[in-house]
Amino acid sequence: GQQVMQIPQYQHVQEGEDFTTYCNSSTTLSNIQWYKQRPGGHPVFLIQLVKSGEVKKQKRLTFQFGEAKKNSSLHITATQTTDVGTYFCAGRRGNKLVFGAGTILRVKS
Amino acid sequence: EAEVAQSPRYKITEKSQAVAFWCDPISGHATLYWYRQILGQGPELLVQFQDESVVDDSQLPKDRFSAERLKGVDSTLKIQPAELGDSAMYLCASSLRGGSGLNTQYFGPGTRLTVL
Repeated sequence: GQQVMQIPQYQHVQEGEDFTTYCNSSTTLSNIQWYKQRPGGHPVFLIQLVKSGEVKKQKRLTFQFGEAKKNSSLHITATQTTDVGTYFCAGRRGNKLVFGAGTILRVKS
Repeated sequence: EAEVAQSPRYKITEKSQAVAFWCDPISGHATLYWYRQILGQGPELLVQFQDESVVDDSQLPKDRFSAERLKGVDSTLKIQPAELGDSAMYLCASSLRGGSGLNTQYFGPGTRLTVL
């Protein structure tokens, strides 16, 4: 079963509002990756975080890795309809990447 | 841009039948992964190859599932016999190498399996 917990399961926002999804692991992760899966599509790599407390930005997306390397977040500022999809975190333990269940984002225009 | 190829894209079969899925990773990628994604969940690793060798198949139901990557390039995942609970998306991914370093996984379009 899933060992990386992700919340919320689902979020429906108005276009222009912000969105955040959170990822939590019971054990320390060597790194964490984030993927986006559009409806009907396949997961596409967004970013990898490695260092404790690391923060990375990609345009309107901000990714954080917790100090204890057990949690992470993805924040989208001013959502657009193109942001629609499911966002997955994936934590690395050893050689294995363990995916969370994902957060489904819907954006109302 | 190079992509991971998978076929077929869709497969409908009856329970107890055999099915096989094929994956061709991005050229030069040593590591190949097969994932199963049940609707509403994240991908779950079934098997990971490094070149032609299996490095992790701990979640592969070995009584009915088998995977091979004979020449270290393309790979086949087989289910025999298929069960109703096998209905899912089967995703193949590849990366330059495995391990804990930066090794972005590139996913193929997947094969959606429906078992009737």
